[in-house]
Amino acid sequence: EIVLTQSPATLSLSPGERATLSCRASQSVSSYLAWYQQKPGQAPRLLIYDASNRATGIPARFSGSGSGTDFTLTISSLEPEDFAVYYCQQRSNWPPKYTFGQGTKLEIK
Amino acid sequence: EVQLVESGGGLVQPGGSLRLSCAASGFTFSSYWMSWVRQAPGKGLEWVANIKQDGSEKYYVDSVKGRFTISRDNAKNSLYLQMNSLRAEDTAVYYCARDLIYGPGFVDYWGQGTLVTVSS
Repeated sequence: EIVLTQSPATLSLSPGERATLSCRASQSVSSYLAWYQQKPGQAPRLLIYDASNRATGIPARFSGSGSGTDFTLTISSLEPEDFAVYYCQQRSNWPPKYTFGQGTKLEIK
Repeated sequence: EVQLVESGGGLVQPGGSLRLSCAASGFTFSSYWMSWVRQAPGKGLEWVANIKQDGSEKYYVDSVKGRFTISRDNAKNSLYLQMNSLRAEDTAVYYCARDLIYGPGFVDYWGQGTLVTVSS
């Protein structure tokens, strides 16, 4: 089973700053990786899929990169609404089973 | 507008059963893989199961295999999760989720979730 490890667990930044979140896989997942944002009391929202493709309606300040085992979600300039928990998720090649990272909480400094 | 509305959650005793339903609207349900994802209180996300467009393929996380069954009725635009032999660790909000159109892997729409509590 592939394990995803996210770092840091908590990231404290101010609006306008750049955020860099990391996700490391225990073995290669190629580019089968997504990022989600979740705010308290809400369902998650897809931000990035296939490592670097922005989902429909996602602002350009969100970008994803990486392949194999190391992935990064970058938020170029934080807006107040970006403070939330972020999860990475991978899909195994076949059968298509999914695993999530433990999450990174992005909080206001 | 895509909508996924779950129902069927509630309080159940350990060893009991529950059936979750998800009513889908706003898209061609029969064209998409569908999934269930859960989230224990204060915890992270855990994928539970998924099902192919025609129901011919189903996959489960190991912890629920043999206890949970995912199914769908494309004529009714509905997704189901039959949960048997429930345990305390199954307590979670259960989300109905639609995978991206091009195949299983990533969820682009989520329901609001339904809470399942397993407790005596």
